[in-house]
Amino acid sequence: AQSVSQHNHHVILSEAASLELGCNYSYGGTVNLFWYVQYPGQHLQLLLKYFSGDPLVKGIKGFEAEFIKSKFSFNLRKPSVQWSDTAEYFCAVNSGYSTLTFGKGTMLLVSP
Amino acid sequence: DTGVSQDPRHKITKRGQNVTFRCDPISEHNRLYWYRQTLGQGPEFLTYFQNEAQLEKSRLLSDRFSAERPKGSFSTLEIQRTEQGDSAMYLCASLRGPNTGELFFGEGSRLTVL
Repeated sequence: AQSVSQHNHHVILSEAASLELGCNYSYGGTVNLFWYVQYPGQHLQLLLKYFSGDPLVKGIKGFEAEFIKSKFSFNLRKPSVQWSDTAEYFCAVNSGYSTLTFGKGTMLLVSP
Repeated sequence: DTGVSQDPRHKITKRGQNVTFRCDPISEHNRLYWYRQTLGQGPEFLTYFQNEAQLEKSRLLSDRFSAERPKGSFSTLEIQRTEQGDSAMYLCASLRGPNTGELFFGEGSRLTVL
């Protein structure tokens, strides 16, 4: 069975600070990796995804994530956060045609 | 407008009552998923449909839960004899595809069981 672990439940940053949210998964085979974001009062939406190829993937709003297979990690990064990045971020994994398994989420609060 | 609509957005009920949630997916999406999310947790898979066929059910879906998608369009999730532990956000998603991880979520139906 797949599982996803997100390192921090809450992160507080000031605007312009750099962001890195940790995500580790457990599964021995080929995986597909995702980051979803939920802005306050809005629905969950896909931020970025990794299927294969270049392990550094870029998503919307300046976010990127790096897949490191040896570490079973898929950390989310952004060089300079904005107040509007305040949201809850979920890492998720699936393999083949399996259903998506989510981590518990990281709440990011960016202070202006 | 997310494209996936859920109704009602909020439901407060007393323990032991039955509740039903409806999900209207994006019309061209043939796969529909139900997830449950509780405080401090990520979404947990409940069940999914391809067209009208229910293809997978999670162990979380007890006998009191039933989901249908009779014509392969909208879906309903019914909870019978609600318990306080059923209090959660019930999320519906349709597959934006082609990978089964690329989901388009609705805004959810929040259930509070008193």
